[in-house]
Amino acid sequence: GAVVSQHPSRVICKSGTSVKIECRSLDFQATTMFWYRQFPKQSLMLMATSNEGSKATYEQGVEKDKFLINHASLTLSTLTVTSAHPEDSSFYICSARGARLSYEQYFGPGTRLTVT
Amino acid sequence: AQKVTQAQTEISVVEKEDVTLDCVYETRDTTYYLFWYKQPPSGELVFLIRRNSFDEQNEISGRYSWNFQKSTSSFNFTITASQVVDSAVYFCALSEGSGNTPLVFGKGTRLSVIA
Repeated sequence: GAVVSQHPSRVICKSGTSVKIECRSLDFQATTMFWYRQFPKQSLMLMATSNEGSKATYEQGVEKDKFLINHASLTLSTLTVTSAHPEDSSFYICSARGARLSYEQYFGPGTRLTVT
Repeated sequence: AQKVTQAQTEISVVEKEDVTLDCVYETRDTTYYLFWYKQPPSGELVFLIRRNSFDEQNEISGRYSWNFQKSTSSFNFTITASQVVDSAVYFCALSEGSGNTPLVFGKGTRLSVIA
């Protein structure tokens, strides 16, 4: 149990276009989802915290108008990278937390975004 | 503020050697959780262990063992008789409070096990 999926696993897009990444909790209700970003050979850094039905909370330095997060249901959160640029190329990982799972967090497999 | 330091950037060992990955953390909370994750080349994070601040017992799971020392704010990870499949980046992470806050990760240690 406690599986989190992400789609797509890899995406290549052209500079200036927008890309949507989905994070789904498959067998539990996720009241909170976290979005992390990992640049090559670096650590994971928190981008934002997303609670179901409310606006996401962004970390300092993360542009909320560029990285749109929607957590419309208890099993789905989406991250849309708008007007993507090559410097947005990164590995994006979500984690989900459900109130019934002792507040444990489960990570998705990640999405590798390459902007050309 | 919370912080996790993994001073070893890269480690290379020969197969069957034991290796210890260091992790030092900083937090003002008395309640917190510590984690270790393995990240193979595929990128997916593999959960290894979660330990809360009130449980200082060391843990062993097969070839893996963890040494939690609150006195030195360390949570070190030892792999015994390393294997090539252990090659990966290992992250130590901290979550303050009751575990429902986001994780703060260390910079990771890249382990290469050579046959």
